[in-house]
Amino acid sequence: QSALTQPASVSGSPGQSITISCTGTSSDFGTYGLVSWCQQHPGKAPKLLIYEGSKRPSGISHRFSGSKSGDTASLTISGLQAEDEADYYCCSYVGSNTLVFGEGTKLTVL
Amino acid sequence: EVQVLESGGGLVQPGGSLRLSCVASGFNFSRHAMTWVRQAPGKGLEWVSTIRSSGDVTSYADSVKGRFTISRDNVKDTVFLQMSSLRDEDTAIYYCAKLFGMYFAADCWGQGTLVTVSS
Repeated sequence: QSALTQPASVSGSPGQSITISCTGTSSDFGTYGLVSWCQQHPGKAPKLLIYEGSKRPSGISHRFSGSKSGDTASLTISGLQAEDEADYYCCSYVGSNTLVFGEGTKLTVL
Repeated sequence: EVQVLESGGGLVQPGGSLRLSCVASGFNFSRHAMTWVRQAPGKGLEWVSTIRSSGDVTSYADSVKGRFTISRDNVKDTVFLQMSSLRDEDTAIYYCAKLFGMYFAADCWGQGTLVTVSS
């Protein structure tokens, strides 16, 4: 149950786009590799942004999008805003009722 | 409004026990798997345990296996985490979350309850 690999930090200027990667082996991602992504502001609970790789829950901005290629899942945030500054985590269901999280990425909006 | 609310955290000595509760509202609790996730001070999220909707299937992270027990009461819409033989490294905020879909996305999180293990 090792954590999925994410960059420790990424940064971007308002209006730009950034991508956060989440890397693991095929066993880390389970049969279909459909990860979810959560956002966590300091002192707050996590919030689901993306599920099943690329789907957005109701109320989540279209600026957030998810994708996967090979052993890497990605979260892209377009049109960066100051409020996007937060920690981001990928999460994968690996079967047998087991979840594994990524190490987390701190996004700084310059 | 869909929400979950944790309680039961506190200060406990190493080797002690604590029982966390998570009360759900606003959704059909008995149809959803539930999970506990923790976050040590300044660290990332760590999955702890999951229980299926009927309560008959549970799973645990290796770090808590044999010490923690997850259970649920589908009449009271509550999920529990019984923690025993607590260690310093169990100190964390413990979050309860509702899971949905085939791939167990956590779409509703509580605000968390702080567990501090210290002598």
